[in-house]
Amino acid sequence: QKEVEQNSGPLSVPEGAIASLNCTYSDRGSQSFFWYRQYSGKSPELIMFIYSNGDKEDGRFTAQLNKASQYVSLLIRDSQPSDSATYLCAGSSGNTGKLIFGQGTTLQVKP
Amino acid sequence: DTGVSQNPRHKITKRGQNVTFRCDPISEHNRLYWYRQTLGQGPEFLTYFQNEAQLEKSRLLSDRFSAERPKGSFSTLEIQRTEQGDSAMYLCASSTAGGAGEKLFFGSGTQLSVL
Repeated sequence: QKEVEQNSGPLSVPEGAIASLNCTYSDRGSQSFFWYRQYSGKSPELIMFIYSNGDKEDGRFTAQLNKASQYVSLLIRDSQPSDSATYLCAGSSGNTGKLIFGQGTTLQVKP
Repeated sequence: DTGVSQNPRHKITKRGQNVTFRCDPISEHNRLYWYRQTLGQGPEFLTYFQNEAQLEKSRLLSDRFSAERPKGSFSTLEIQRTEQGDSAMYLCASSTAGGAGEKLFFGSGTQLSVL
């Protein structure tokens, strides 16, 4: 069973802090990894993807990938209350949109 | 609005009835995906199309489920003889094929409740 594991949370951080979200995966064939944000009652929205070991930065978001440890993370700097949502980690083993999602981590940013 | 459109937004049905959902992807996207999401879980892949061809179907998908994309544009997902375990949010997503990091654009979903 190919799995992506996340801690469901909630993860609570104060406004302005760094939020660190983590994800592990079991399929060594996974090539690309994605972070989707999902607000309550809404559909998932892609915020980051990464396929090379190391860090990838986009604005306040940094995705980190360590293929040896089968570990993916997302850092959100200067967290805002509007970042409060569920963050879904997903992996893909091919060049398609067939993704294996984790259960998501709920982030709460408190003013 | 040029996003992915799904209809209906909500569907309540009785066990044993058939239901059909529709998805209209972003017009220039040639790939279309169906996912299912239950409360507290991430989306689960069901099937996908490239143009009108159904290229992959999840082994978890029973034969009560069928999907079509007859002209490579909109798609329908039909569930026959619904069961209570089919209650979930059914999400459609579309994308343009090619390369790593294929970005999926999700629709708002159809929430199915089977009574």
